[in-house]
Amino acid sequence: NAGVTQTPKFRVLKTGQSMTLLCAQDMNHEYMYWYRQDPGMGLRLIHYSVGEGTTAKGEVPDGYNVSRLKKQNFLLGLESAAPSQTSVYFCASSYHPGNEQFFGPGTRLTVL
Amino acid sequence: AQKVTQAQTEISVVEKEDVTLDCVYETRDTTYYLFWYKQPPSGELVFLIRRNSFDEQNEISGRYSWNFQKSTSSFNFTITASQVVDSAVYFCALVPGGGATNKLIFGTGTLLAVQP
Repeated sequence: NAGVTQTPKFRVLKTGQSMTLLCAQDMNHEYMYWYRQDPGMGLRLIHYSVGEGTTAKGEVPDGYNVSRLKKQNFLLGLESAAPSQTSVYFCASSYHPGNEQFFGPGTRLTVL
Repeated sequence: AQKVTQAQTEISVVEKEDVTLDCVYETRDTTYYLFWYKQPPSGELVFLIRRNSFDEQNEISGRYSWNFQKSTSSFNFTITASQVVDSAVYFCALVPGGGATNKLIFGTGTLLAVQP
C-alpha cells in the first residue's frame, strides 16, 4: 500500500505559468482534500471532493481548480500562477470526514 | 465561529522534561471530532489521535497523553519525559458538525524543540 502519493515533490514556476498537481490514493477513500501550508498559518483547505465526479470549494479556493475524474485521483490545477501561491501543498484522503485523514508527502511550489 | 487556537507558537524544553501543548477549540455543534497531528522536520503529517465529542475519557499512549475537557473547550496534549525525536510542529484540528461540513480546521501549530 502506497497510501497517498503526490506528484511532483518540488516545482518552480514563473508568474503566469500553469501546472497540475496530481494526488493518488490506494485506500478506496471517498473523500479527498487539497490543503496549502504557509508559515504561521497552519493548513488551509483549498478544495475537496466527497466522491468521484464531485468537487467543492474550501477556505481558500481562488486561483485553483480541481477535478476528480477517477476515485483514486484528485488533481489540483493552477491556471495562471502568482507569487502568492508559493506554498507547500498537501493532499489528503479519508474514509469519512470524521475519520483520520491520510496525508501525502507534500509538494513544495515556488512561483517567481 | 468554528476555530482552533494553539496559543503557544514555540516551546523549547530539555530532554526528559514533561511538556504540555495547549489546544482550545470553538464550535456550537454538539457532535464534533478533535485530532492531533505531528509534523516532524521531514515535513510529513502524522496522525496521533482522534476524539469524538461524546468521549471525554483521557487517553494515554506510551509517553503521550491527551486531556479532553468540554467544559473549557480544550484538548491538551502532554508528552512525558520528552525526547529529541519529539521535536516537531504539532497541530490540533477540529471537524465540526460530525463531519457534515466535510472540513478539517487546523490550528496554527506549536513548534516543539527538545534540546539534548
